[in-house]
Amino acid sequence: DAGVIQSPRHEVTEMGQEVTLRCKPISGHNSLFWYRQTMMRGLELLIYFNNNVPIDDSGMPEDRFSAKMPNASFSTLKIQPSEPRDSAVYFCASSLANQRGSYEQYFGPGTRLTVT
Amino acid sequence: KQEVTQIPAALSVPEGENLVLNCSFTDSAIYNLQWFRQDPGKGLTSLLLIQSSQREQTSGRLNASLDKSSGRSTLYIAASQPGDSATYLCAVRVTGGGNKLTFGTGTQLKVEL
Repeated sequence: DAGVIQSPRHEVTEMGQEVTLRCKPISGHNSLFWYRQTMMRGLELLIYFNNNVPIDDSGMPEDRFSAKMPNASFSTLKIQPSEPRDSAVYFCASSLANQRGSYEQYFGPGTRLTVT
Repeated sequence: KQEVTQIPAALSVPEGENLVLNCSFTDSAIYNLQWFRQDPGKGLTSLLLIQSSQREQTSGRLNASLDKSSGRSTLYIAASQPGDSATYLCAVRVTGGGNKLTFGTGTQLKVEL
């Protein structure tokens, strides 16, 4: 398996522009997570989906952020309009509850977003 | 609210030394605990996952222990190598918290030749 795939790997954009980050989870996984990592705040969960349904979006910082999962193999995280404080590395992760219910999470390589 | 702390924040050791990384959490009602490794500019790689009913897990030179009642976990690395240099993060999944993981701030490890 190719693992969790994220695109783009790097994104540089100007303040006010719309940014869309993409994620393809591991095939067969039924949970998908979006995280943001900064030096100041560490790794924070933004939102997660179970079976394509958003379960907890309490970590989404504000209405400028939105996430969708139209099917089991694709998710997007959109920021509109973007601001310099959104600059961070955004990770997508996926997991599958196995027979022991372990929910081990596997992370993608991340998208490094820079908003100028 | 679950809080996860990792001490020390940074650690430098000579090659070959055995070392222990610490992770503590405030809410002992956890479902499991996961240790990750993160290399600079890369994503997180899962190292070990310990269920709440387990005391330890081993993988190669790594051994993770869990003491749920005291809210602590340790990651033991035997015979450290320069290739072990990375940031190590622990994360807990709280019982009743769905699939959410709460992460510690990490320990940055450097193994020197």
